[in-house]
Amino acid sequence: GAVVSQHPSWVICKSGTSVKIECRSLDFQATTMFWYRQFPKQSLMLMATSNEGSKATYEQGVEKDKFLINHASLTLSTLTVTSAHPEDSSFYICSAENTGGRSYEQYFGPGTRLTVT
Amino acid sequence: DQQVKQNSPSLSVQEGRISILNCDYTNSMFDYFLWYKKYPAEGPTFLISISSIKDKNEDGRFTVFLNKSAKHLSLHIVPSQPGDSAVYFCAVNYGQNFVFGPGTRLSVLP
Repeated sequence: GAVVSQHPSWVICKSGTSVKIECRSLDFQATTMFWYRQFPKQSLMLMATSNEGSKATYEQGVEKDKFLINHASLTLSTLTVTSAHPEDSSFYICSAENTGGRSYEQYFGPGTRLTVT
Repeated sequence: DQQVKQNSPSLSVQEGRISILNCDYTNSMFDYFLWYKKYPAEGPTFLISISSIKDKNEDGRFTVFLNKSAKHLSLHIVPSQPGDSAVYFCAVNYGQNFVFGPGTRLSVLP
C-alpha cells in the first residue's frame, strides 16, 4: 500500500535553533499534504495545508513565520520549526493525499517527536 | 501488518437512517481512540474520541462504542445526513504512537 515517511522520527534540539521535518510520499504523487500537531490524549490539530508549487495555507492561530512549510515537489513537503522553544515540543504528523487516486485516499506518516530543551 | 483496520472501504446509507462505521485494532494496550472525518482536498477534522476506561461516548448525533475484549470500536451516526458523506478515519493514540486506519467512505443518499 501507499507509504508516507517522515524524517526524522524524533529530534531533540536546543531552544532558539531551527528544526526541519521532512514528509515524503514514497510511491505516489501528492499535490496536497497536511501538517498536524498532536498532544497526548488529544486530537490532531491541523496546522496547515501544503500545496505543491504554491504557498501553504495556515490554520487560524498557527504562526506561518514560525512554522515554515515548503512543498517543492510532488513527493516532498518540509516543515521547519524556526527559533524553537520548549512549548513547541510536540508530535508532528504529516499526511499526503494521493493525487492519482480516489479523492479520499489519504495516508499518514508515522510522526516526528520534537523535544526542545 | 496493520494495527488499525477498517475493513469496509465504503458504505452507503439512506438519509435519516443509522450509519455504523467499524474499526478493529490489534494491540490491547491501546488506550485512547479517535474518529476523524475528511472531505476531499481537506485535512481530517476531529469528530469524537473515547478512552479505554469507557465503553460509550456520545456527542449529538455521533456515538462511539468501544468493546475492549473484542478490540473493536464503532461510530454510529443517527440520523444520517447528506452532509455526513465523507471519509471516516479511526485512529488510536498509545503513548507516543498515533496510528490511523485506512478510512471508510460514507455516502448518505438523499
